[in-house]
Amino acid sequence: ETGVTQSPTHLIKTRGQQVTLRCSSQSGHNTVSWYQQALGQGPQFIFQYYREEENGRGNFPPRFSGLQFPNYSSELNVNALELDDSALYLCASSFGTGTSPLHFGNGTRLTVT
Amino acid sequence: EDKVVQSPLSLVVHEGDTVTLNCSYEVTNFRSLLWYKQEKKAPTFLFMLTSSGIEKKSGRLSSILDKKELFSILNITATQTGDSAVYLCAVRKGVTGGTSYGKLTFGQGTILTVHP
Repeated sequence: ETGVTQSPTHLIKTRGQQVTLRCSSQSGHNTVSWYQQALGQGPQFIFQYYREEENGRGNFPPRFSGLQFPNYSSELNVNALELDDSALYLCASSFGTGTSPLHFGNGTRLTVT
Repeated sequence: EDKVVQSPLSLVVHEGDTVTLNCSYEVTNFRSLLWYKQEKKAPTFLFMLTSSGIEKKSGRLSSILDKKELFSILNITATQTGDSAVYLCAVRKGVTGGTSYGKLTFGQGTILTVHP
């Protein structure tokens, strides 16, 4: 069984730039969600994709957007990067949206300078 | 607004000690509570609890949920240095307005350090 994989592992960007993070879900999982984890904090929900549609969103501005592909992999795009966007970005996959636990990838560490 | 509070925020013990980590929550339309262990990057799933009073157990770890008092505890007996990690508690909402919605709301985490 292949787990959740994310790329890249680390990324350094400049304020104002755009970034794309990628996630491959665990085999058999059809739901992907993204979380932002600042240092010393618990993960914060960004949004969730189920069957290629966004079906839940946290308190993040529209410059955070995403996609889910037919193979259930996903992308997180962040435009107009700000210093506060520096964080660990975690992708999680599950089967369905309510009854099975989320399984997380190792995350992408984004640093915005 | 949904809220999850964990205590203590940090804990230092010696190998062999028993620890209890606490998680209290306020969330509308509660569905389940999950515990995760985060060592370096990926939170690793430990337990998912949906019913009150039923203990879940895995080796030296166990957890129980009280839906009346809105809290859960995670117990670790005979701690080992490998138990050193951040332990995260999260609650999941149920279906709202006809839209399946599996968002997790996390607490801040408890940093557990186990010394040899």
